Amino acid sequence: AQSVTQLGSHVSVSEGALVLLRCNYSSSVPPYLFWYVQYPNQGLQLLLKYTSAATLVKGINGFEAEFKKSETSFHLTKPSAHMSDAAEYFCAVSAGSGTYKYIFGTGTRLKVLA
Amino acid sequence: DGGITQSPKYLFRKEGQNVTLSCEQNLNHDAMYWYRQDPGQGLRLIYYSQIVNDFQKGDIAEGYSVSREKKESFPLTVTSAQKNPTAFYLCASSMAQGHTEAFFGQGTRLTVV
Repeated sequence: AQSVTQLGSHVSVSEGALVLLRCNYSSSVPPYLFWYVQYPNQGLQLLLKYTSAATLVKGINGFEAEFKKSETSFHLTKPSAHMSDAAEYFCAVSAGSGTYKYIFGTGTRLKVLA
Repeated sequence: DGGITQSPKYLFRKEGQNVTLSCEQNLNHDAMYWYRQDPGQGLRLIYYSQIVNDFQKGDIAEGYSVSREKKESFPLTVTSAQKNPTAFYLCASSMAQGHTEAFFGQGTRLTVV
């Protein structure tokens, strides 16, 4: 069975500082991993996805994530935080062939301090 | 533009009443999903459908019902049997083949008054 753990329900960074949001997964088959962003009272927007083509994945808005199989991690990073990055971020894993379900983490709310 | 449309954006319901949330997509996706979102709990799967006229229960299906009569539409009914229906509901769709991402609607916030 697949599962996702996001460490830290709330993260605060100063504007211009490094953003690091942590995601660890559990999967019995090669995983497909996703990061989504959600602004208040809106749906989820895809930031980036890992589908085994490359371990370092670049996404929108300057975000990137690195797939590390040995650590079962897929942490999201951005070199320099912007005020507009304040939102909730969700890591998700595809549940594998045959079901096409997505398993989501509990989310990390990012606060950016001026 | 292709996308997923959820309506209404806000919905108020009296206790004991059934209410139906609409979800329409024009992305030609075979698979559609309903999630419930509560603070601190992430997204929990209510129902999903991989093809017309077929759907499966997710993790929290009790008190909910769905139909999939058309590829484009996947309405969710919140019944009076749902004990705590106040939440933010998200509809999503994806291609059925391959591990592609899910696309989300803008959500419906349901409040029981």
